[in-house]
Order: sequence, then structure tokens, then C-alpha cells
Amino acid sequence: DGGITQSPKYLFRKEGQNVTLSCEQNLNHDAMYWYRQDPGQGLRLIYYSQIVNDFQKGDIAEGYSVSREKKESFPLTVTSAQKNPTAFYLCASSYSNQPQHFGDGTRLSIL
Amino acid sequence: KNEVEQSPQNLTAQEGEFITINCSYSVGISALHWLQQHPGGGIVSLFMLSSGKKKHGRLIATINIQEKHSSLHITASHPRDSAVYICAVPPFGNEKLTFGTGTRLTIIP
Repeated sequence: DGGITQSPKYLFRKEGQNVTLSCEQNLNHDAMYWYRQDPGQGLRLIYYSQIVNDFQKGDIAEGYSVSREKKESFPLTVTSAQKNPTAFYLCASSYSNQPQHFGDGTRLSIL
Repeated sequence: KNEVEQSPQNLTAQEGEFITINCSYSVGISALHWLQQHPGGGIVSLFMLSSGKKKHGRLIATINIQEKHSSLHITASHPRDSAVYICAVPPFGNEKLTFGTGTRLTIIP
């Protein structure tokens, strides 16, 4: 079955460490997105990519980095520069102007 | 800036009740999305609509473009409908979505 796979489901990070969240899709979608969700707030866009080898900053890109070397994969790195990384992270993909398909999310916590 | 507001924030109802969740937005849009977030966090797209009404099973979504307002209705609600319902809109000329904060629905048996 086609879909989006995010891993791991839970992730713990020590202060000062970089961590990478995985997002893989087999839907042949061109566009991929990373969102952050905090309690009481709507999803906020971190980065998005409309084609391979190209990506743009979203509304809250500071402290994050991404790559899009393959159509299927859009990993997100949470760097040590992100001062408040504890959140729920969701990856999504879509064809242009079509509904986005979401993964099950990764919950990141700081030890 | 596009603002998206949902009401109510929390809703608790008895099984079988008719449910209405509202979404208002501030700028012109090409379409509106209704999403369902399960307790585990995964999100499923329920509807994308740009005019009128759409129905899928017990779920009905309506939109009034002139009034910048949409509603999601659930008929004969069931405990498995318990979830967070989120509306999201892409402003004209922009594929990026702006999300509401969600409505947490709890259906009591």
C-alpha cells in the first residue's frame, strides 16, 4: 500500500545534539512538507520541497535543515540551534494543489 | 496574513448526536481542507472542497466562499469519531496551507 512512513515514532535528544527525522513516501508525489505541532497551536510549516534537489523555508525554519536528494525521501535535521525542539513533527506529501497525505508523526523530546 | 479560526475548541457529545464544527478564514482561498487527527497523532484528509457541499458516509462538509466559512457535520456520532478535526486553507496563488488550531471532539457512549 502507498503511504508515508515517518521514523522513529518517539525520539529523545540530549542538549547540543543534532537529530534527524526520517520521512519516506512511495506515492510518487513531487511535493513534500515538514510541519511542527505544539499544544494549542495549529500546524506550522518548517520546510517544503516541490521537486528533487530544491526546497524552501517555511514559517519556522530557524534551527532546522532538510535535504531532498531523492523524490521519495525528505529528512529533517533538528540542529542544536533549535532552542525549543520538543514538539510533534509531521511529514506530508502531495501532488500540486491536491490534498496532502500525512505520516503518523515523530514525537521529539529533550533529555 | 491569513487567519483561520475554528469553533468550538473542545466538544463533548453523547453517541448519536449531530455534530457541527465551524471554520472561518480571512482571505480568499482556492479550496478548504478538513483533516482528522487520531489520538496517536496521525492525520487523515477528510475533504477538500471549493464550493457547495461534499458528503462521505456520516460526514458532511459545506463551504460558503462569500462568507469565508465552512462547517463539518457528523451525523449519528460514534465514539470512534473522537479525534481532533482541523481545517486548513491555501490562500490564492499559494500552495502552503494555514491550519486552524483544531477542534477536539469526544463522543461518549
